[in-house]
Amino acid sequence: DTEVTQTPKHLVMGMTNKKSLKCEQHMGHRAMYWYKQKAKKPPELMFVYSYEKLSINESVPSRFSPECPNSSLLNLHLHALQPEDSALYLCASSQDRGRADTQYFGPGTRLTVL
Amino acid sequence: AQSVTQLGSHVSVSEGALVLLRCNYSSSVPPYLFWYVQYPNQGLQLLLKYTTGATLVKGINGFEAEFKKSETSFHLTKPSAHMSDAAEYFCAVSHGSGNTGKLIFGQGTTLQVKP
Repeated sequence: DTEVTQTPKHLVMGMTNKKSLKCEQHMGHRAMYWYKQKAKKPPELMFVYSYEKLSINESVPSRFSPECPNSSLLNLHLHALQPEDSALYLCASSQDRGRADTQYFGPGTRLTVL
Repeated sequence: AQSVTQLGSHVSVSEGALVLLRCNYSSSVPPYLFWYVQYPNQGLQLLLKYTTGATLVKGINGFEAEFKKSETSFHLTKPSAHMSDAAEYFCAVSHGSGNTGKLIFGQGTTLQVKP
């Protein structure tokens, strides 16, 4: 099974709301990722977790707060977002962070910030 | 530093025709290369990857790619396009020489398949 699941599929939120995105994988992968993707653009890396510890933060604004409660679960907490944060948020996982490791992507959460 | 250039942001072919999507890379270390496909409103799916060994790599759905070091290319081909191949295609290279997990993506190519 090479499935990464993400919930919710769609999310609409106001600029003062707090919401969370959830990502889950049961492949025993030890690396998990959050990406942001704008329309007609490649995914942009936001965060990398390795063995449940944050290893990379690509200078993401603090209104995005990642969390990795266990090796199968990755959350992205959202607070005080801006309309320009509207995008498809993709989660991915890989066996490890090796250069040859394949990243498996979830279907994404379509976020709209009003 | 690594970079990826996908020539042609939009490629249109007829059903049954050859598909050729171009990818050139720049890498200061031996590259590990990937092709991903993204269907509308979905995540990315790995088509194939090159790490070491055989330079002609076969992937899913009849796609293949050839690693040509002398040309710094990793073009994606499929002998006969199907309507279901219409999607966005991304070429990517692993970043750097360390194990960071970072991928450098090209800008993507939209493949249109005409009946």
